[in-house]
Amino acid sequence: NAGVTQTPKFRVLKTGQSMTLLCAQDMNHEYMYWYRQDPGMGLRLIHYSVGEGTTAKGEVPDGYNVSRLKKQNFLLGLESAAPSQTSVYFCASTSGTADTGELFFGEGSRLTVL
Amino acid sequence: GQNIDQPTEMTATEGAIVQINCTYQTSGFNGLFWYQQHAGEAPTFLSYNVLDGLEEKGRFSSFLSRSKGYSYLLLKELQMKDSASYLCAAMDSNYQLIWGAGTKLIIKP
Repeated sequence: NAGVTQTPKFRVLKTGQSMTLLCAQDMNHEYMYWYRQDPGMGLRLIHYSVGEGTTAKGEVPDGYNVSRLKKQNFLLGLESAAPSQTSVYFCASTSGTADTGELFFGEGSRLTVL
Repeated sequence: GQNIDQPTEMTATEGAIVQINCTYQTSGFNGLFWYQQHAGEAPTFLSYNVLDGLEEKGRFSSFLSRSKGYSYLLLKELQMKDSASYLCAAMDSNYQLIWGAGTKLIIKP
């Protein structure tokens, strides 16, 4: 019953450092997403993927890169972290079928950039 | 532009009924979602409406009016565990979700 798993759960970075967030899902979902959530704002889409080997930019892609080499994994990278990237990051996945389109979310990764 | 509006915060009493409103403006429309998010946790799916009308699921119901760009989430027989943020999201013509900032619901005994 793992669902969507994100690692790490918490991380503190200094400005300019790099890091990678890993998202893994065991539901064989085609679609995967990375969102950030900031106080007083809705979830904002960073990047998404509609299948293995594909990625696309969302609403706020600058400063982030992603890769989807395996269907079950979606990686989010920060090449040179900035304080503006302090946020809670959520990964989500969905099967992409034409029913409810329900998104399944990971528990979130809280990132602080000093 | 695309926009979702919902109240920032609401307060209600345990055992009562509360209605959380959401208005949306999107380029095309492919459905309206409600998610629940407890503090420090991930959002979890509550409901999906694509046709006008009321969808009932236990204590929770969701209503949609496409012509008015309006939805509401109705919570009955409120329990303390219903204290959470409720996120409204509309799916546009590209099947992308546009999210509201969420409504924080505070339940008082």
